[in-house]
Amino acid sequence: EAQVTQNPRYLITVTGKKLTVTCSQNMNHEYMSWYRQDPGLGLRQIYYSMNVEVTDKGDVPEGYKVSRKEKRNFPLILESPSPNQTSLYFCASSLIPGELFFGEGSRLTVL
Amino acid sequence: AQKVTQAQTEISVVEKEDVTLDCVYETRDTTYYLFWYKQPPSGELVFLIRRNSFDEQNEISGRYSWNFQKSTSSFNFTITASQVVDSAVYFCALSERSYNTDKLIFGTGTRLQVFP
Repeated sequence: EAQVTQNPRYLITVTGKKLTVTCSQNMNHEYMSWYRQDPGLGLRQIYYSMNVEVTDKGDVPEGYKVSRKEKRNFPLILESPSPNQTSLYFCASSLIPGELFFGEGSRLTVL
Repeated sequence: AQKVTQAQTEISVVEKEDVTLDCVYETRDTTYYLFWYKQPPSGELVFLIRRNSFDEQNEISGRYSWNFQKSTSSFNFTITASQVVDSAVYFCALSERSYNTDKLIFGTGTRLQVFP
């Protein structure tokens, strides 16, 4: 089954404690990206990747890091999470740019 | 700078009514792509359609239709004979396409509630 898998799905953490949200796709897609969804703000792109070792900033990259060492994986790293990073995060992959397959989302709460 | 505006925050209709969701975009590029996504109450995000800036033909897929008008920078989405299962948040998105970039800008979404 074609899918994008994110983990964890739910996480409560404290300010400053580094965390990683993993994302893996099994469709051999070149494009992958991360979004955050906040009430009233819609979806905002954090980072995107065109291929292995090629990443670029989206609209809200501050406080986040990514890496793309393998085609299937695109982890999102929060080095020092803060409460304003409390959000619902989606990973996506695509064969054709913009035609996104999304993961189920990861709800993160930073206390 | 590119921008997508979905001015309708929430729309409520009764089943079988037709409903149009508005999407207005801003871009300085001549080559761009427009998209619609659906997010039902279960939370997943589902791709609906992609349209490039050179193709202004309207598209119909079952009860769904899309009207792309470059003159008004709009890419509106109409659901004919709405059903309860159409209840969802709908997002419009814009991507400017130039070499080696793939930035995607989403609107803030329109919540559609279809009542039986």
